[in-house]
Amino acid sequence: DAKTTQPPSMDCAEGRAANLPCNHSTISGNEYVYWYRQIHSQGPQYIIHGLKNNETNEMASLIITEDRKSSTLILPHATLRDTAVYYCIPGGRDDKIIFGKGTRLHILP
Amino acid sequence: SAVISQKPSRDICQRGTSLTIQCQVDSQVTMMFWYRQQPGQSLTLIATANQGSEATYESGFVIDKFPISRPNLTFSTLTVSNMSPEDSSIYLCSVEPRMRETQYFGPGTRLLVL
Repeated sequence: DAKTTQPPSMDCAEGRAANLPCNHSTISGNEYVYWYRQIHSQGPQYIIHGLKNNETNEMASLIITEDRKSSTLILPHATLRDTAVYYCIPGGRDDKIIFGKGTRLHILP
Repeated sequence: SAVISQKPSRDICQRGTSLTIQCQVDSQVTMMFWYRQQPGQSLTLIATANQGSEATYESGFVIDKFPISRPNLTFSTLTVSNMSPEDSSIYLCSVEPRMRETQYFGPGTRLLVL
């Protein structure tokens, strides 16, 4: 499994874009990049995933570098409810999800 | 998506006893998993619950301590046996509705062992 590096914590002002980086330099060619988040006292929640191309859904955008060694999750207009731990997880489509330490994102009012 | 419920939502148990946690999904799913989240830590995969056969355990987890059942495509149980205070954690069930789909997680069961 590819290893990931994420900053342990980040702050973002409410209403601004939150950009969460992830390094996954050992990712293999067929591994996707998944992002999940865990709000306090809840189970993890799927956000988005991608392979090579940038992806966008109603929750977030995912920017993957051309060499696929890093990616950035973008929450375009962060709200207080986006305060959570965000996990970047490389994996095959039928792999188990292995969680790292993630980034604790604080949205500041 | 899938709606997942877990019972109990929380419990306080005495050391040496066992607790069985139930996971119920509102639709048939291909894969079911059990995770543990110790206080202040990330999630750790315990095992994959296989329907009709023995669960597949991750390194560091054994069947005698964490027996798992999966009698059908919508239900699974995890038992935490002969509990000690170190077993105090949140236990989460997750499902993958179809192969190569995203996973969905239950709300978790908060266990405190005294």
